[in-house]
Amino acid sequence: QITLKESGPTLVKPTQTLTLTCTFSGFSLTSSGMSVGWTRQPPGKALEWLALIYWDGDQRYSPSLKSRVTITKDTSKNQVVLTMTNMDPVDTATYYCAHGTTMTGFAYWGQGTLVTVSS
Amino acid sequence: DIVMTQSPDSLVVSLGERATINCKSSQDVLSISNNKNYLGWYQQKPGQPPKLLIYWASTRESGVPDRFSGSGSGTDFTLTISSLQAEDVAVYYCQQYYSTVTFGGGTRVEIK
Repeated sequence: QITLKESGPTLVKPTQTLTLTCTFSGFSLTSSGMSVGWTRQPPGKALEWLALIYWDGDQRYSPSLKSRVTITKDTSKNQVVLTMTNMDPVDTATYYCAHGTTMTGFAYWGQGTLVTVSS
Repeated sequence: DIVMTQSPDSLVVSLGERATINCKSSQDVLSISNNKNYLGWYQQKPGQPPKLLIYWASTRESGVPDRFSGSGSGTDFTLTISSLQAEDVAVYYCQQYYSTVTFGGGTRVEIK
């Protein structure tokens, strides 16, 4: 059974750096073709993909956020970490991590974590 | 980056009737190497994460009812719900994963 769970702060101040952790089970991020990505959704708005990391360590980023976002993995802990710098109130959103493959898109999602940016 | 444009923004359909959602990509998402379109469709209900319905433009994910079907190739794609059920009320998103990842803006489906 594949599960993913996001964890991190629910409230951050403007200009701070957000660090979110995705802890997963039921698959190995060392297996060929596997990936874990982050997607966010502001309240009442559409999904916005942020970043993706592949089994081989290849990292991909949304062009619009590339300068602010970093994705890393710790395969020994079955975790993927997203950091986003210089947070702003417009970054208030539910942040999801999801598991996919190079072939199928994101078949498994965490429940998401709501991050509010406010002073 | 590839831009995904969905239409319509919202759709009101009677129970048992057909619902059709369109998705257009700004670039081709068809891989020449395996002749697969790297296009997925997701369903999202309120308070829930998205659920993958279709991948490779037309392959249903395991457990997805066969009233959901996907079609299209290259840059133009369609998600069809052949006979709308009450539990299909949701927002539907297309997604390309040919070149990194991009989601469409979503289509809200409601019951008339």
